[in-house]
Amino acid sequence: DQQVKQNSPSLSVQEGRISILNCDYTNSMFDYFLWYKKYPAEGPTFLISISSIKDKNEDGRFTVFLNKSAKHLSLHIVPSQPGDSAVYFCAASQGFGNEKLTFGTGTRLTIIP
Amino acid sequence: GAVVSQHPSRVICKSGTSVKIECRSLDFQATTMFWYRQFPKQSLMLMATSNEGSKATYEQGVEKDKFLINHASLTLSTLTVTSAHPEDSSFYICSARDPTVNTEAFFGQGTRLTVV
Repeated sequence: DQQVKQNSPSLSVQEGRISILNCDYTNSMFDYFLWYKKYPAEGPTFLISISSIKDKNEDGRFTVFLNKSAKHLSLHIVPSQPGDSAVYFCAASQGFGNEKLTFGTGTRLTIIP
Repeated sequence: GAVVSQHPSRVICKSGTSVKIECRSLDFQATTMFWYRQFPKQSLMLMATSNEGSKATYEQGVEKDKFLINHASLTLSTLTVTSAHPEDSSFYICSARDPTVNTEAFFGQGTRLTVV
């Protein structure tokens, strides 16, 4: 039972354009959501997070949007840069500080120069 | 900043042998560490919660006798894959959070285990 889903296994975006990565979840107990970036043979690196009390969080080029009623979140990267090419995982937990994360299956983002 | 280090980064072992993977928090003390596993093109799946000074808590479907976890100090947790088989080949990653600061959990570099 995949409680966190990323339905797009891959995405290609032109450099300078906006990258939008999507994530859906089914467990209504999740109230804290995170995005991680991962390169091959490395551990995930934290990017940005959002609590369920907010619907948007922004950090530089990265913005995460949360739609609780739709149980959907998205990560926007603008402008996209070649160094953004990686696999992006969304993850969810019950509460901040709960390291027990449930991950999505990941989306491989390729930025085309 | 806080760093979590894993060793080895890559290991190849023969079927039937045991392999130990170490996870260290380098500049903070972690009473709890988490072990994940990732199969190719799949998500990271939580295997177990490592608790300093007490028994680990395993997720459903994870064999505790096969994946031995020891968290003997506040900076070190070890995962031992016992009697490894080819189906245990996977990418194993640990994570920990510095409880004294308001940050997310850090992940180790991961260990690629190949059982031949």
